[in-house]
Amino acid sequence: EPEVTQTPSHQVTQMGQEVILRCVPISNHLYFYWYRQILGQKVEFLVSFYNNEISEKSEIFDDQFSVERPDGSNFTLKIRSTKLEDSAMYFCASRVAGWTGELFFGEGSRLTVL
Amino acid sequence: QQPVQSPQAVILREGEDAVINCSSSKALYSVHWYRQKHGEAPVFLMILLKGGEQKGHEKISASFNEKKQQSSLYLTASQLSYSGTYFCGTNMDSNYQLIWGAGTKLIIKP
Repeated sequence: EPEVTQTPSHQVTQMGQEVILRCVPISNHLYFYWYRQILGQKVEFLVSFYNNEISEKSEIFDDQFSVERPDGSNFTLKIRSTKLEDSAMYFCASRVAGWTGELFFGEGSRLTVL
Repeated sequence: QQPVQSPQAVILREGEDAVINCSSSKALYSVHWYRQKHGEAPVFLMILLKGGEQKGHEKISASFNEKKQQSSLYLTASQLSYSGTYFCGTNMDSNYQLIWGAGTKLIIKP
């Protein structure tokens, strides 16, 4: 069964360092997302990506965040200068098309900022 | 506008039923239900579209009342495997991003 894969599963970094989280969405999917979940809290939308550009982003997705789809398969989230409050689980998700379809989540990347 | 889920948490004995509600202050296009087990990714349960749908998924079903701007998730004869946090996600239009509720934690005891 096709699945969304994410790497790394856990990353520990020092405050101020840059982090890149990687995702491989399901191959025929067209819409890609990054979500964040601080421990024990709700899932928060960060950004959506369609047709090689950002289609929507939340207030959380400020200038320290960026996304790329460098090679047609990987979908990356870069955090330029990490802060303590960036510590969270980051989920990548993808869907085929249209909001009548299921959103497929990856297993998540846990980011710990020290 | 974030949908409001209720209750925040519920503890059941195996075999008991539960209802989880998801309410919005705005008219909805669709409601999505996901379950997340501790330390895992959310997993899709079902989608309901405006038109007052009711859907079933084994012993888990849901309804969507457009007028009340509310969806309810029904878990009947709960099993231990139903434990987890249930999230609803809503949007007001097919072009809009899902906004997630805060989640309802369901604990099933044997």
